[in-house]
Amino acid sequence: AQTVTQSQPEMSVQEAETVTLSCTYDTSESNYYLFWYKQPPSRQMILVIRQEAYKQQNATENRFSVNFQKAAKSFSLKISDSQLGDTAMYFCALVYVRGFQKLVFGTGTRLLVSP
Amino acid sequence: DAGVIQSPRHEVTEMGQEVTLRCKPISGHNSLFWYRQTMMRGLELLIYFNNNVPIDDSGMPEDRFSAKMPNASFSTLKIQPSEPRDSAVYFCASSLYRRTPGFEQPQHFGDGTRLSIL
Repeated sequence: AQTVTQSQPEMSVQEAETVTLSCTYDTSESNYYLFWYKQPPSRQMILVIRQEAYKQQNATENRFSVNFQKAAKSFSLKISDSQLGDTAMYFCALVYVRGFQKLVFGTGTRLLVSP
Repeated sequence: DAGVIQSPRHEVTEMGQEVTLRCKPISGHNSLFWYRQTMMRGLELLIYFNNNVPIDDSGMPEDRFSAKMPNASFSTLKIQPSEPRDSAVYFCASSLYRRTPGFEQPQHFGDGTRLSIL
């Protein structure tokens, strides 16, 4: 069975600083995708960034970047220049390439950005 | 383009009543997913469809829950009879799936339905 673990239930950061959210996963598959979703208080689920497991280069999207360590099964999210609007729950998720797209989610990390 | 549309946004009803949640996926998407989110259990996949066919309903908690997808642009999740423990936020998501290695489109979520069973 595949699992996704987010060991940080809550994190805080001040505006303009950098914060890293951790995610580890367990899978026997070699080809899969990893995602970070953001859920603000409005409860929307918003895709932040994704990473293909077969790509060694870490994905980046503006202020968001990942550190993907395939051997260690680690997929952390770095948020640079944090903004108040980044306050949200962040979920790490995994889906296999083989078979239908069954997303497995972590339990989430609540991030609070303060002025 | 319109995103995934769910209705209603909020639903409050009494125990024992039938509840129907609705979802319109993004046009052109061929996979649809129903999730439930609670504080205790986080995000749980209830069921997913591909080309309107249920592929995996192993996450459906019990027989009181049923889901249908009569066509590519509409799906329902029904709870009958409803119980207080069914109170949660229910999300619908859709994506485009192709059986092509290296091709993947992420799931796009609706805004969810907050269900409260009194």
